[in-house]
Amino acid sequence: GESVGLHLPTLSVQEGDNSIINCAYSNSASDYFIWYKQESGKGPQFIIDIRSNMDKRQGQRVTVLLNKTVKHLSLQIAATQPGDSAVYFCAERADTGRRALTFGSGTRLQVQP
Amino acid sequence: KAGVTQTPRYLIKTRGQQVTLSCSPISGHRSVSWYQQTPGQGLQFLFEYFSETQRNKGNFPGRFSGRQFSNSRSEMNVSTLELGDSALYLCASKTDQETQYFGPGTRLLVL
Repeated sequence: GESVGLHLPTLSVQEGDNSIINCAYSNSASDYFIWYKQESGKGPQFIIDIRSNMDKRQGQRVTVLLNKTVKHLSLQIAATQPGDSAVYFCAERADTGRRALTFGSGTRLQVQP
Repeated sequence: KAGVTQTPRYLIKTRGQQVTLSCSPISGHRSVSWYQQTPGQGLQFLFEYFSETQRNKGNFPGRFSGRQFSNSRSEMNVSTLELGDSALYLCASKTDQETQYFGPGTRLLVL
């Protein structure tokens, strides 16, 4: 299972630098957001999530920021490592209706040693 | 705990055939969701099962179906396969909380 898409936006960073991956969502009714990392040949791996009643949440080397005003989500990775190279997906869940996750198209992160 | 497992990992079928994929969720997880991942469409939700009942359904034709057993294991079936069904099929499980954990996927190639 190689990573999705031939035309994914790509972010290239140097090892040790911080990375910021952005995601815009369209559904103002979304109340839960999640970031996944997908390496080649693997399924998506949970990184961090955030509810709409928060605007920031931190994990180990990762921070998610949520700006509901402009419907924008970002994932910050501190001290990026070669092992962080992957495709990153954001996903949102509406608080009504199906409540299934809707995934973004993904961003490819390439870490240069 | 063991993660989500999916079998088989790779599968080759021809048009018109049908296929059944299997997913074993993380122990204790009662919700199982299925997704299709393709380069052109990305990750798309197929359906979710909870306690043997379909709780959510995406916008896929009726050729795509699924079921869940009493032990929470789930299967999905695709009948009358088309070339466009070639994809990575992902299964994800969760408890009643939101965080879904994905399996490695089944790569299906339809010739």
